[in-house]
Amino acid sequence: SQQGEEDPQALSIQEGENATMNCSYKTSINNLQWYRQNSGRGLVHLILIRSNEREKHSGRLRVTLDTSKKSSSLLITASRAADTASYFCATGPDMNTGFQKLVFGTGTRLLVSP
Amino acid sequence: DTAVSQTPKYLVTQMGNDKSIKCEQNLGHDTMYWYKQDSKKFLKIMFSYNNKELIINETVPNRFSPKSPDKAHLNLHINSLELGDSAVYFCASTPEGYVSPLHFGNGTRLTVT
Repeated sequence: SQQGEEDPQALSIQEGENATMNCSYKTSINNLQWYRQNSGRGLVHLILIRSNEREKHSGRLRVTLDTSKKSSSLLITASRAADTASYFCATGPDMNTGFQKLVFGTGTRLLVSP
Repeated sequence: DTAVSQTPKYLVTQMGNDKSIKCEQNLGHDTMYWYKQDSKKFLKIMFSYNNKELIINETVPNRFSPKSPDKAHLNLHINSLELGDSAVYFCASTPEGYVSPLHFGNGTRLTVT
């Protein structure tokens, strides 16, 4: 399946530290997206990186994409307690099959302690 | 000014019942989706509609029937509910399919007893 896999599954850090999450996927893609999900809420889009881009920044977020390794990373710098959430990568569409669907990874649960 | 709204937020019902979940988006997007998130947080697409037309129908039991009366609404009707249907169901929308970000509703937690 095209499903992305993320690691670690869970990450616990102190406020002020950086958090890095990784995502691996299996097929050629058009873009990769990162989402955050707070407990009991819907997913919120963070960043979209296209297959011809290698790095993208948004505030304290930095995303890299390595299409040769089929992997991406999300770095959150100077983390805050409010960053506590689950983070998901999502890939699509599948450029080989034209499958028009966004496939979500398994998620990383981030806990930032004050 | 909620962008994607779902009702109800919680739904508790017994096996065998029929229930509906409603979704509305006020973003003017053309494409709407239903996703199911299980207890392990795994998120899987169920259906996708573009301008009221069904474009993706994953291997979902035919007890699940989506209905899109107009491009701002996508409802999900579930017949003969089963225990395994318990999950959180998310509605989402995008302006341009999967080349643009998804906007999610806050989900409907369905519990079948």
